Amino acid sequence: QKEVEQDPGPLSVPEGAIVSLNCTYSNSAFQYFMWYRQYSRKGPELLMYTYSSGNKEDGRFTAQVDKSSKYISLFIRDSQPSDSATYLCAMIGASGTYKYIFGTGTRLKVLA
Amino acid sequence: NAGVTQTPKFQVLKTGQSMTLQCAQDMNHEYMSWYRQDPGMGLRLIHYSVGAGITDQGEVPNGYNVSRSTTEDFPLRLLSAAPSQTSVYFCASSFFRTATGAEAFFGQGTRLTVV
Repeated sequence: QKEVEQDPGPLSVPEGAIVSLNCTYSNSAFQYFMWYRQYSRKGPELLMYTYSSGNKEDGRFTAQVDKSSKYISLFIRDSQPSDSATYLCAMIGASGTYKYIFGTGTRLKVLA
Repeated sequence: NAGVTQTPKFQVLKTGQSMTLQCAQDMNHEYMSWYRQDPGMGLRLIHYSVGAGITDQGEVPNGYNVSRSTTEDFPLRLLSAAPSQTSVYFCASSFFRTATGAEAFFGQGTRLTVV
């Protein structure tokens, strides 16, 4: 079993839709949870990060972490064609652990 | 501020050839790493370094070597290229601070084809 599982998609939605992207994980030592966005033929860029359980909001994006269920989510409100990209979840353990574990990524296409 | 610079952007190798992928960062990050990205496989860690002179293996290290003589540079060497090493390679540098979390900065990638 992989440490991090992510639905690869692809996911196609109409412009303005609410998008929900999810990852599950098995290692309870993970403390920091991140979402990266990767446009075609580019390197990933950090979108949001969350420490431990809870919600974090940044504009149209909301990240949620439920450590009891080992489940993290990224919500995109009012999705735009410019949001079309691959979204990768990533997580690392407590202080001193530098090894990021990435999900396989979900391809999202927002149709105009 | 250049961030993470990878060279070359594209490369075609013949089976059995060797080459070095270059990676440099100007953010004084202690942690650097190399990933390969294949369709449906996500980012898989090849090797990483937590500081100059310190390297360790990741998930898929076979066929690759690294060294870290300076904080800025972290080259990846393919010893004897094989078609299975056809992939997109990303270098990343990152910091970790308990109070503010962690962020990995990625280069633009090197598209390698081994024929």
